[in-house]
Amino acid sequence: GQSLEQPSEVTAVEGAIVQINCTYQTSGFYGLSWYQQHDGGAPTFLSYNALDGLEETGRFSSFLSRSDSYGYLLLQELQMKDSASYFCAVRDPVNYGGSQGNLIFGKGTKLSVKP
Amino acid sequence: GAGVSQSPSNKVTEKGKDVELRCDPISGHTALYWYRQSLGQGLEFLIYFQGNSAPDKSGLPSDRFSAERTGGSVSTLTIQRTQQEDSAVYLCASSGDRGNSPLHFGNGTRLTVT
Repeated sequence: GQSLEQPSEVTAVEGAIVQINCTYQTSGFYGLSWYQQHDGGAPTFLSYNALDGLEETGRFSSFLSRSDSYGYLLLQELQMKDSASYFCAVRDPVNYGGSQGNLIFGKGTKLSVKP
Repeated sequence: GAGVSQSPSNKVTEKGKDVELRCDPISGHTALYWYRQSLGQGLEFLIYFQGNSAPDKSGLPSDRFSAERTGGSVSTLTIQRTQQEDSAVYLCASSGDRGNSPLHFGNGTRLTVT
């Protein structure tokens, strides 16, 4: 089966940099995605890594190492509005052939940004 | 453009009653997903549709849960004989054809079983 591990909670101060790690176990791999969810809101897509390396989008960057089955989300210049839960996710390879397949989510990391 | 629409946004029902939750995906999105999220918890996969067929129903918790999708568009999730443990937010998402297409989520239906 597929499983993802990420820390349950992280706390940081405004202006700081925080890294949220994600390790995964999957029988096939089709990329690592990150989603953000504010309390009471819907998850929204942040980033996707299919290949090794760093992808940067503004203050957020995402990294992938396929050989280590590991990725992280890096948030820079933290702002209060970044307080949210962050989920890493992988495609379920069981149903991937010919279609996208299901997306399996980690349990989420709750980030609290303090003033 | 219009996003994923779910209705109702809130539903309170008595234990033992049936409920039907509706999801209207983004136009043209072929893939549709249902997830369940309990308070402060992660996203629990329920079922995935590609067009009108469901290649993966493995997440449905019991035979009280069923879902269908018609016309490659609207989907309904039905829970029969609801139990208190069914109380949660039910999230629907849709995505495009490509394997790396991101999921677009609706705002969910908050179901409370009393």
